[in-house]
Amino acid sequence: QMQLRESGPGLVKPSETLSLSCTVSNGSVTSGNYYWSWIRQPPGKRLEWIGYVYHGGSARYNPSLKSRVTISTDTSKNQFALVLRTVTAADTAIYYCAREPLTVVRGIMDVWGRGTTVTVSS
Amino acid sequence: DFVMTQSPDSLAVSLGERATISCKSSQTVLNNSNNKNYLAWYQHKPGQPPRLLIYWASARESGVPDRFRGSGSGTDFTLTISNLQAEDVALYYCQQYYTIPWTFGQGTKLEIK
Repeated sequence: QMQLRESGPGLVKPSETLSLSCTVSNGSVTSGNYYWSWIRQPPGKRLEWIGYVYHGGSARYNPSLKSRVTISTDTSKNQFALVLRTVTAADTAIYYCAREPLTVVRGIMDVWGRGTTVTVSS
Repeated sequence: DFVMTQSPDSLAVSLGERATISCKSSQTVLNNSNNKNYLAWYQHKPGQPPRLLIYWASARESGVPDRFRGSGSGTDFTLTISNLQAEDVALYYCQQYYTIPWTFGQGTKLEIK
């Protein structure tokens, strides 16, 4: 069964760039059956969808973050990545990666990583 | 953005009883062209990844016990958990996937009374 695992620094300084990776196990990031997504949950707040990427295709982003976000795939590592630029304390959150199965419909997330906590602080 | 509002924020139910969670969308998530509601439910336990329970408002994901039932249409939806078990203690979220950005409810915390 496919598994996802997030990795990256747990602490990022304000105004710097947050970079996270999601490693795909028992499956391939090049599969045409999935969109690869990032979701986050700030402390005490609801889940927020950040965006998705489709290997070989375009990415779509939450308009609230679009100017600062890039999601991409890395086939050599079987990973997909999140880059969030110019972070502030408001970007402190648990970050999850997930897959959206196109065999059903885009938008539902049927496999998730366990999440990684990122704190923005100097 | 579509705003998803769940109620209650928390509830306590006795083992073996029924739990009912409501989710309201600020706009319809019913696609009239295919008559499908673009609404999902997730279960989230501490230290675990969220788990997809229900999609299309009422379709159970593979492996989800039939104690979990989703219902509703348009803007009003319900997740019903029958015969509550101890392992059902969790946060539950609804989510619309009718339009980008996908958005989630604030969550409902389910506990045992």
